[in-house]
Order: sequence, then structure tokens, then C-alpha cells
Amino acid sequence: DSGVTQTPKHLITATGQRVTLRCSPRSGDLSVYWYQQSLDQGLQFLIHYYNGEERAKGNILERFSAQQFPDLHSELNLSSLELGDSALYFCASSVGSKEETQYFGPGTRLLVL
Amino acid sequence: AQSVTQLDSHVSVSEGTPVLLRCNYSSSYSPSLFWYVQHPNKGLQLLLKYTSAATLVKGINGFEAEFKKSETSFHLTKPSAHMSDAAEYFCVVIPYNNNDMRFGAGTRLTVKP
Repeated sequence: DSGVTQTPKHLITATGQRVTLRCSPRSGDLSVYWYQQSLDQGLQFLIHYYNGEERAKGNILERFSAQQFPDLHSELNLSSLELGDSALYFCASSVGSKEETQYFGPGTRLLVL
Repeated sequence: AQSVTQLDSHVSVSEGTPVLLRCNYSSSYSPSLFWYVQHPNKGLQLLLKYTSAATLVKGINGFEAEFKKSETSFHLTKPSAHMSDAAEYFCVVIPYNNNDMRFGAGTRLTVKP
């Protein structure tokens, strides 16, 4: 158990809908990262927050957004969902913001029908 | 751009025989390199990490990796495979002064009895 929690574990929704994925980092970690794992794209970095501020953006679509709250938990919002958004979404956390080991949560499996 | 290439998409070994999972990286600077393992329907677990201290890095579950700058390689090895080692393994690089992870495509390790 990495200490990173993600909810929900599974999510099934329809195209055009909006969902919110939640992540709680390990105690003491200030950074939260979001990754998408799909069969065709592999594991891709989406976005990084450090202590409430956005630090880096990867291959995140404009339909997706994220935020980190004062209690350091983070939410990833996915809107106007398409079939291709079906994937495993991982959250990771680390203490700092540079060249640090990241600890991964169990993931949220999203299925868009 | 910093990236990693995992040279084998699938490796199959017999239980008790050595494991070699190959990874080459490209980086302008001395990189931070990691190996993560993902068991079926599970999150990613850190196996080991290289950060320029020692070129031979020992990880969990008997795995180790050697950083070879001249060959730009960071291959993962284990002397004797166990059935429980069957999983997907990811080589990861973090660019210098950054923290968004760049994942390789993954190597699926199968262990035959």
C-alpha cells in the first residue's frame, strides 16, 4: 500500500458526460501528479500540482482539468467524454517537486460507453 | 528530449532462471531513472531508483539495475525468477530539474513453471 488513495475504483459513464476523479496524496507529500494509461498510448503524464499550484502540464486535453485543494487532495475533471477517454487514471504523489520518487495510487478505471 | 526505450515488449523466462529487461535512455543531462512494476489490476510500485550515487542500484524483491552511461542503458536484472515476478515493468526517466515522468512502453514478463 503506497499511502495514495484514489476514488472511485471504477467508473462507467456515457459519451458527453462529465466525471470527477479524486486523489489523496501520502501524508506529508506536497506534489500530486495525474497519469493516463491506455492500451494505445501507454502511460502518459497529464499534469502536476505542487502545494496547490500547477507546476507542469503534459498531454492533457482541454476537456480535462485538475486542481489541488488546500488540504492537498486533488481532483481530475474529465468533461465531454469520448469513447477514447476510457483508460486507467493514476494519481501519484511525492514530497517535493523535482526529480523525486513518486508513489502511485491504485488507479481509477474509467469506461466510457 | 529525454525519453526511454524498452527494447522488448515481452520477455518469457522459466522459474529459477535469470531475468533481463532492457532499457535505454536518452538525456542531455544526468537523468534520474526508475523501474516500476505493475501487477495485473494493480497500481505501479517502485522497484528501484538511480540518482547518480552508485551505478549499481539494488531494489526490492531481488531486482537490481546497472546504470551504464557509455551505453545509455539501465537494464533491470534478477538472478532467479519467481512466479510472482510475472507483471508489467516500466523504465522511467525524469528530466533534469523537472518531475514529470517519461515512461517506456513497458515489458511484460511471463514466468513459466
